[in-house]
Amino acid sequence: ELKVEQNPLFLSMQEGKNYTIYCNYSTTSDRLYWYRQDPGKSLESLFVLLSNGAVKQEGRLMASLDTKARLSTLHITAAVHDLSATYFCAVAGTYNNNDMRFGAGTRLTVKP
Amino acid sequence: NAGVTQTPKFRVLKTGQSMTLLCAQDMNHEYMYWYRQDPGMGLRLIHYSVGEGTTAKGEVPDGYNVSRLKKQNFLLGLESAAPSQTSVYFCASLRTSGYNEQFFGPGTRLTVL
Repeated sequence: ELKVEQNPLFLSMQEGKNYTIYCNYSTTSDRLYWYRQDPGKSLESLFVLLSNGAVKQEGRLMASLDTKARLSTLHITAAVHDLSATYFCAVAGTYNNNDMRFGAGTRLTVKP
Repeated sequence: NAGVTQTPKFRVLKTGQSMTLLCAQDMNHEYMYWYRQDPGMGLRLIHYSVGEGTTAKGEVPDGYNVSRLKKQNFLLGLESAAPSQTSVYFCASLRTSGYNEQFFGPGTRLTVL
């Protein structure tokens, strides 16, 4: 069964600092997603990673995928308050590409 | 384009009542999904559909039924609501061209008393 683990679950950062969120999954997968969710809001797509070694960057966020290690990372560079949100990774199963499994989420708080 | 819309936005039910949540998308996507989100947890897949007239079970299907009579609509039904079904429900559709991106609706907050 496909399981997805994120860590840390809670992250409090100072503005200007760097940090990394980790997403491990238990079986092979074709697709890995990163989402952002603000309180009381829906999910916003950040990145879709489709192949081993894929790296994507948008502003202060960079996501990477290592399919051999079954690991994705979301790196935050020089955090700002506007990045405060909950970040989820989600993985699509290989045998059933529609069986999406989400991590529990990382609640990020960026303090001035 | 409205994207993915959900009706209603909020609902309170009593145990044993039934209701239907409606999801509509105007992007001509074949794939649609229903998820639930509980506090401190990620989204869990309830049911999904790979096209008009087709549905399949996800990770937590018990207590729910779905229908996809029209390509643009995906309905989620609760026949006899239970307090354990108190949750926020999200619908999503999938664009299969390009990066296989999922688009989410705004969510429906359901409380079962």
